[in-house]
Amino acid sequence: DAGVIQSPRHEVTEMGQEVTLRCKPISGHNSLFWYRQTMMRGLELLIYFNNNVPIDDSGMPEDRFSAKMPNASFSTLKIQPSEPRDSAVYFCASTVGDREYTEAFFGQGTRLTVV
Amino acid sequence: KQEVTQIPAALSVPEGENLVLNCSFTDSAIYNLQWFRQDPGKGLTSLLLIQSSQREQTSGRLNASLDKSSGRSTLYIAASQPGDSATYLCAPEGGSYIPTFGRGTSLIVHP
Repeated sequence: DAGVIQSPRHEVTEMGQEVTLRCKPISGHNSLFWYRQTMMRGLELLIYFNNNVPIDDSGMPEDRFSAKMPNASFSTLKIQPSEPRDSAVYFCASTVGDREYTEAFFGQGTRLTVV
Repeated sequence: KQEVTQIPAALSVPEGENLVLNCSFTDSAIYNLQWFRQDPGKGLTSLLLIQSSQREQTSGRLNASLDKSSGRSTLYIAASQPGDSATYLCAPEGGSYIPTFGRGTSLIVHP
């Protein structure tokens, strides 16, 4: 398996524009996480899906952020409208969420810059 | 809410030293604990996973221990090498197996 795949790797956009980040989890994994990493706050959980259903979105900073998982092999994180303070690296991770041994695997991240 | 603290925040050592990286967490009701490595500008690479029923795990020069009751884990790196330079992150997995991260230990091993 190619691992967790995220696209794009880098995104530069102007304030106010819509941004969509994409993630393909590892085949067979039923849990998916979106994290945001900044120097100030480290790695923060934004939202967690299990079997394509959002279970915990308490980390989503505000209504400008939304996430979907239409099927087991694809998820999106959308920011609309984007703001400079959204600049960060966004990571997607997947795991088999219903077993005791649940190693999480991360994608390479999307570096977002909002100018 | 789980709080994870990693000490030291940064470490710079000469090649060959044996290292100890510490992780503490506030909620001992965890399933597993993972240690990750992150190179600059890269994603996270899983190093070791310790199940809550285990006390330690070993992979090559790495050994991780877990004391769940006291909320502590330690990563030992034997005979450090310049290639070990990276940030090391600890992530206990609580409810729903969600990893919660510390701020990491930034390690530099110089030749």
